[in-house]
Parts: sequence; structure tokens; C-alpha cells
Amino acid sequence: SYVLTQPPSVSVAPGQTAKITCGGNDIGSKSVHWYQQRPGQVPVLVMSYDSDRPSGIPDRFSGSNSGNTATLTISRVEAGDESHYYCHVWDGSTDHHVIFGGGTKLTVL
Amino acid sequence: EVQLLESGGGLVQPGGSLRLSCEASGFTFSNYPMTWVRQAPGKGLEWVSTISGSGGVTYYGDSVRGRFTVSRDNSRPTLYLQMSSLTAEDTAVYFCAKVETTVTTPLHNWGQGTLVTVSS
Repeated sequence: SYVLTQPPSVSVAPGQTAKITCGGNDIGSKSVHWYQQRPGQVPVLVMSYDSDRPSGIPDRFSGSNSGNTATLTISRVEAGDESHYYCHVWDGSTDHHVIFGGGTKLTVL
Repeated sequence: EVQLLESGGGLVQPGGSLRLSCEASGFTFSNYPMTWVRQAPGKGLEWVSTISGSGGVTYYGDSVRGRFTVSRDNSRPTLYLQMSSLTAEDTAVYFCAKVETTVTTPLHNWGQGTLVTVSS
């Protein structure tokens, strides 16, 4: 099945920019969605269709997708952004359709 | 407001069965495919199953295909996951989620999850 690869961890100081990547073969041809999951909480959609922010998500969050890498960028990082982030695609080429990346733990130093 | 409430989790022995439910409200249930996602303790998200709005089309992840069955009752409106031949690897919090519009679209709303523990 299709594989999405995320770095296990990313660390950034408050006020700086965090970039969380999601790698996959020709992922640029797919729509990538991103979820934030704070400790002990339910996942929340923070980016859809590569770069669309759902209602209520701060404009500090942005997304891009090209080639073999999709990226979730968080500008002016705040302590409250410390979470796990998961990328997600739909892959119609095999029977295992919904693919999640392994997740990235964002640590705010 | 969309609300999803899972129930049915608990402790089950290896080889046993369990049925999870997800009661939905705040939207026209029959119009939307629904998805089950699980998360083992300390691990990431894993897709389990998706069902179309009518219930006529179902999809399963590789690790559960042949053991789990997803269904829905649009009159209730409730989503179900029948799990059988359970192993320790099925231990996880099981979330139900509503898609945005079609099966290929993002998961816009999630329930709080129900914990399934497979252990003797």
C-alpha cells in the first residue's frame, strides 16, 4: 500500500517557523490533509486539500504539496501548537485506501 | 453541531468479538460516508474502515479485512463496527469520523473514541 513518511519529531522555539513534511511517491498528485492531535485529545483537521484552512484554524497554519513532499508550515509558533501532526491521503490504487503518515511530534522549546 | 458518540468498547479476550457503535447527530447522517480510525496506545492513527452513506459500499484496511464488518442504520442514526477474531494488536482507541462530503475527502468531525482492550 501507499506509504506516507513523516519525521518523528520537529522542535522549534516560540515565535519561529515549524515545517512538518510528509513524503510519498508523487504525493503532489494527491490531495493531502493534516490533523493536529493534542495529548489526550481527538484529532482536529487543520489543513485540507494541501493548503485550505478549515474555519477556525489560525492563518499561521499553511500548507503546500509538490513532487514527493507535502509540507505543513506553522508560522509564529506558540506553546499551544505543541501536538502530534498527521498527514492523510486517499489512495485509490490499492485496497487500503486511507493512508495516514506516522505522525510528527512538534515540540515548542 | 455535529456530534459523534462512540460506545461498546471494553475488555475482550483474544479470539473474542465486540461491536462498537457510533451515534450521530447534528447532520443528515445518510448523506455522508463514515469512517472508523483507531489509535493504539502511544501510536499513530490507523484507518480501519469506511462505509458509504447508503451502506452499500464498504472499504477495509489491510489489517482488519475479513475480521471486521462495518455497517450503519440510517434510521437510528448509528454507525457500527463488528469486530471478531480479536488479537492484542487490535487494542486501541477506536474513533468514528464524519467525512467532509465523499469517501475521498478529509475527516471533518471526530468522536471522542472508545477504548478496546484485547487481553486474557
